[in-house]
Amino acid sequence: NAGVTQTPKFRILKIGQSMTLQCAQDMNHNYMYWYRQDPGMGLKLIYYSVGAGITDKGEVPNGYNVSRSTTEDFPLRLELAAPSQTSVYFCASRPSGTGGNQPQHFGDGTRLSIL
Amino acid sequence: DQQVKQNSPSLSVQEGRISILNCDYTNSMFDYFLWYKKYPAEGPTFLISISSIKDKNEDGRFTVFLNKSAKHLSLHIVPSQPGDSAVYFCAASVWGSQGNLIFGKGTKLSVKP
Repeated sequence: NAGVTQTPKFRILKIGQSMTLQCAQDMNHNYMYWYRQDPGMGLKLIYYSVGAGITDKGEVPNGYNVSRSTTEDFPLRLELAAPSQTSVYFCASRPSGTGGNQPQHFGDGTRLSIL
Repeated sequence: DQQVKQNSPSLSVQEGRISILNCDYTNSMFDYFLWYKKYPAEGPTFLISISSIKDKNEDGRFTVFLNKSAKHLSLHIVPSQPGDSAVYFCAASVWGSQGNLIFGKGTKLSVKP
């Protein structure tokens, strides 16, 4: 039961570098989400997708990009990494449901430090 | 401005007693509420949810109560066990918002043997 798989688990970047955080789910969920969690804070939504080819911004999208070419994968791209993007990143997915009332299932996160 | 508030950063309870975690919200459009449990170095795990058409939902040792007039919900854990020690997040969503969740900052529960 893989569920939601995130890679890598840890990464250190230099300011100005770029990288892609990978997220894959094997539950055939249409909806996928990217959140970030800063120390002592709740999770904040970066981007989400309601299906392959469809993405939209969340609460804190600046500095990030996403794509959704398949149902399974939802990568998050950081361009020109900045220290403010040091955080733990969580990917989640959920099945379709009336009005959105289905719980999201989370991966174990990617801990990213930008120095 | 926080739409979902968990005003207690931490809570300590004796094993076997009741744990009560509280959550307040400001957006009256929220219609679906969830509690997630998170252990260190792991992702949040779904625990229990409640729709705004209900005021109570139970699942084993876990019960969530919703008071819409007060914009308040609570999670009761009875009896508490040491394995329940974790950070608990309250989250909410608006119908039709694609399930986008707004999270509180979390409450760290410690259950002492």
